[in-house]
Parts: sequence; C-alpha cells; structure tokens
Amino acid sequence: EVQLLESGGGLVQPGGSLRLSCAASGFTFSDYAMSWVRQAPDKGLEWVSTISGSEGNTNYADSVKGRFTISRDNSKNTMYLQMNSLRAEDTAVYYCVKDLIAYFEYWGQGTLVSVSP
Amino acid sequence: SYVLTQPPSVSVAPGKTARITCGGNNIGSKSVHWYQQRPGQAPVLVMSHDSARPSGIPGRFSGSNSGNAATLTISMVEAADEADYYCQVWDRGDHLRVFGPGTKVTVL
Repeated sequence: EVQLLESGGGLVQPGGSLRLSCAASGFTFSDYAMSWVRQAPDKGLEWVSTISGSEGNTNYADSVKGRFTISRDNSKNTMYLQMNSLRAEDTAVYYCVKDLIAYFEYWGQGTLVSVSP
Repeated sequence: SYVLTQPPSVSVAPGKTARITCGGNNIGSKSVHWYQQRPGQAPVLVMSHDSARPSGIPGRFSGSNSGNAATLTISMVEAADEADYYCQVWDRGDHLRVFGPGTKVTVL
C-alpha cells in the first residue's frame, strides 16, 4: 500500500523559511518522480514543483521559482521542499504526490503552512 | 502557459447523470486527468489519460476528450459523489502540470 506522510508545516512569519518532508513507502521510491501540490484555503489545486526519480531533475511553478527548492534522498525514501522568503500567498496545505509524469497517482494527507506576522 | 476552464458548479439529482467539462485550446491533443476531492480530504485520482479508470473507481465514472473540451461523466450519481472535481493536463513543452479551477458537484 502506497503511503505518503508529510511533515514540517506550521506558522512562520513573512520572509521566513520552512522545510517540508515527505516520507514515502509501499513502492520503489527511486523509480518515480515526486511532486508537491498546494491548496490555499478555499481555493483550487496548484502544482508547485516536481523532482525526477533518479536523475534529480527539477521543475518549478513560476510562483515559487527562486524561492523554493525541491530535493530527495532516495536512501531514506524521503522528499523535501525547502521554502524561503515565504509570503502570505504561500499559505496553503501542501500535498506530497507520487507523480507519473503526466499525472498524480497518489496523494498524502497534506501539511498546513501558514505565513502570517 | 496552458489554461484550463471548468464550470464553478454542477447540480444533479441522485440517480441522474452529471457531466463536468474541462475546456482548453485543442485539449483533445492532450491527455486529461481528473481528481475528486471530498470536503476535508486529499484529492483522489478518478480518471487518467482521458478515460482510464484507476483500480477502485466505480464504473459509473467515465471520461472523454475531443476538440476543445474534455468531459468527466458520473452516471447514477450518489450522495458520496458530492465533491470538488479538478481536471489536469501536462504541458509537455514546459514540463508543467496545470490544473483547472475545479467544479463543485452538488447532489440535490
């Protein structure tokens, strides 16, 4: 059974930093791309970033490019999202997702990031 | 970047058919994927590659894609189908994943 468990969310001031983690199990982690998708309160889904399985190639949405960094440690079956220079508009539930390149196969339950003074 | 459109809401009586559209320029040339998000829950994939149902998704769910619109059809709608539905495509050129704005399905 695929399990994706996010952690690291919380309250942070504007301009601050936060690091999210996603622990994966139930599949061969290094074989698959992984992504972060976020959802602001009462808003729709927004793709944030993707990292490929073994090569570590990355892609970012324009809204986070230059501020967020996605990474992974295949030895630990874990993906990360380093978020710097956080803004109020980054407030959202962040979902860890198993990415089949064209689409998102499995989703975690999400971790809430709140950016507020 | 590629833009998807969806109606904000669709209302349907139990036992009837709900059709949710997803519009985009020549979307028929892309693969469209659909997600269901019930209140307070994480999204779940309900349709991939236009019309492929993942394991565990009822046969009441079907999909199509042609021209400038893709459609997710839910037959014999049940109360449990009340949720937000999002379409999504992969912008191959820019390696971007794009979501539609979502459609709230209300079961009357």
